[in-house]
Amino acid sequence: DVKVTQSSRYLVKRTGEKVFLECVQDMDHENMFWYRQDPGLGLRLIYFSYDVKMKEKGDIPEGYSVSREKKERFSLILESASTNQTSMYLCASSPNVRTSGSGETQYFGPGTRLLVL
Amino acid sequence: RKEVEQDPGPFNVPEGATVAFNCTYSNSASQSFFWYRQDCRKEPKLLMSVYSSGNEDGRFTAQLNRASQYISLLIRDSKLSDSATYLCVVNAYGTSYGKLTFGQGTILTVHP
Repeated sequence: DVKVTQSSRYLVKRTGEKVFLECVQDMDHENMFWYRQDPGLGLRLIYFSYDVKMKEKGDIPEGYSVSREKKERFSLILESASTNQTSMYLCASSPNVRTSGSGETQYFGPGTRLLVL
Repeated sequence: RKEVEQDPGPFNVPEGATVAFNCTYSNSASQSFFWYRQDCRKEPKLLMSVYSSGNEDGRFTAQLNRASQYISLLIRDSKLSDSATYLCVVNAYGTSYGKLTFGQGTILTVHP
């Protein structure tokens, strides 16, 4: 079974703090993704990575950065947290489309609920 | 226009009912289609892929109409455990990195 884990289920931070969200997958997947999910807006892609040290902006990258130093780990960084970053953050991974029989199926972690005060 | 649009519902149906969800997508070049299920306060999980010829998995049937850019999910003999949010998902054409676009989801509540 694919397992994607996230470092925290719940986090409370103050405005202006630097926040690190960590994601680890154990299936040797090439692709990793960070989303945020808000009521009425669905899942929105923040950043994704298709290889170690590679990253691409998603649809809403402003206010976020990412790091992928090892294949299994993808970190999301909020440089200076703001109240509008209060959200559910979901990490996902998927294998390379060209080599995988499962296509683009993404496997999600349990999510981190972040509250910024 | 949103890339993937779904009726948000909520759909409230009794056990045993048949319920259908619809979804439209805007990118005619999309090649892969999925339905994901998300339980309350949990992560999304793949329910089923959607193939051009239509496919069935037990009580669940998915259909794709490329000409109309329309995907559907039919649930027969609804169970209480089917209560969840159902997400319509299409791939983002032009990349091999497995990027997906998610609809905002349709909420289903099955009651006794």
